[in-house]
Amino acid sequence: DAGVIQSPRHEVTEMGQEVTLRCKPISGHDYLFWYRQTMMRGLELLIYFNNNVPIDDSGMPEDRFSAKMPNASFSTLKIQPSEPRDSAVYFCASSFARAEETQYFGPGTRLLVL
Amino acid sequence: GQQLNQSPQSMFIQEGEDVSMNCTSSSIFNTWLWYKQDPGEGPVLLIALYKAGELTSNGRLTAQFGITRKDSFLNISASIPSDVGIYFCAGRRDDKIIFGKGTRLHILP
Repeated sequence: DAGVIQSPRHEVTEMGQEVTLRCKPISGHDYLFWYRQTMMRGLELLIYFNNNVPIDDSGMPEDRFSAKMPNASFSTLKIQPSEPRDSAVYFCASSFARAEETQYFGPGTRLLVL
Repeated sequence: GQQLNQSPQSMFIQEGEDVSMNCTSSSIFNTWLWYKQDPGEGPVLLIALYKAGELTSNGRLTAQFGITRKDSFLNISASIPSDVGIYFCAGRRDDKIIFGKGTRLHILP
């Protein structure tokens, strides 16, 4: 298996632009997680899905952030409009079952908003 | 909110030395996890601990779940160059996983 796939790996955009991050979880995994990593705040859970349904989005910072999972093999995290403080590394992770705790992380998308 | 205090923030050690890092919290967790992150990659799970007092090893790595359920430590014995990276602790409670801010390990030749 190729593991969790994220695209793009790097994104540089200007403030106010829309940003879309993409994730393909490991086939067969029921759970998908979106995290944000910064030096100041560390690794933060933004939202997670179970069987394509959003379960907990309490970590989503504000209405500018939205996430979708239209099918079991694809999810997006969208920021609109983007702001410089959104600059971070965004990770997608997936797991077969929540109780197993083995979340497999993707390589991340490094976002820079100018 | 729940916070994990991970220390030290960074370590500079000589190759071959043992390493010790820990995580503490004011909240109780049901599970403690330790991850390692290499540059440009996502975190990878090293060890999972499920019971208070549990001591688990994975090669040169040993981790323990504190008996108060509010802390955990990770030891690395006889460090080697590939141990370089960021080590994260994480605690699970009520279906949420909270991550520490990481310990950045540097190994001097």
